Amino acid sequence: DGGITQSPKYLFRKEGQNVTLSCEQNLNHDAMYWYRQDPGQGLRLIYYSQIVNDFQKGDIAEGYSVSREKKESFPLTVTSAQKNPTAFYLCASKGPDLSQPQHFGDGTRLSIL
Amino acid sequence: AQSVSQHNHHVILSEAASLELGCNYSYGGTVNLFWYVQYPGQHLQLLLKYFSGDPLVKGIKGFEAEFIKSKFSFNLRKPSVQWSDTAEYFCAVYSGSARQLTFGSGTQLTVLP
Repeated sequence: DGGITQSPKYLFRKEGQNVTLSCEQNLNHDAMYWYRQDPGQGLRLIYYSQIVNDFQKGDIAEGYSVSREKKESFPLTVTSAQKNPTAFYLCASKGPDLSQPQHFGDGTRLSIL
Repeated sequence: AQSVSQHNHHVILSEAASLELGCNYSYGGTVNLFWYVQYPGQHLQLLLKYFSGDPLVKGIKGFEAEFIKSKFSFNLRKPSVQWSDTAEYFCAVYSGSARQLTFGSGTQLTVLP
């Protein structure tokens, strides 16, 4: 079955460390997205990519970096510059048909030790 | 930039009560509208969507939403809620020109048995 796989499900980070969250999709979607979910703030867009080797900043890109070397993969790095990284991170992808919604992964919960 | 407002942060209802969750957006162009639900411990699921045509759309599990263009609203309704409807509900707006999906802050619905 096609879908989006995020790993790991839970991730702990020491202060000052960079960590990378994985997102892989086998839906053959061009567009991929990273969102952050905080209580009371809903989902906010961190970065998105419409095509391989191209990506744009979302609303809260500071302290994060991404790469899109392959269509299937859109890893997100939470850098030490991100002052409040504890959150739930969701990856999504979308096909070219505007009538179809985004598909979401199961998410990664990141906590600071 | 487009924005999505969900004015009810937490709604508590008894079973069989009727539900209406408000969603307003600010964007003058063509948009696609969605309601997503996140049950405890699960990932986001699509409840319903509106692209064009009949402004009253029906989704899964007895939910429906009405698009009122003049009010920039897309309120979610259900005539009679069940305990299993306890979840967080997100309204989202997709802008084709910006190719971004913007979420509201979410509404936590608690249904008391």
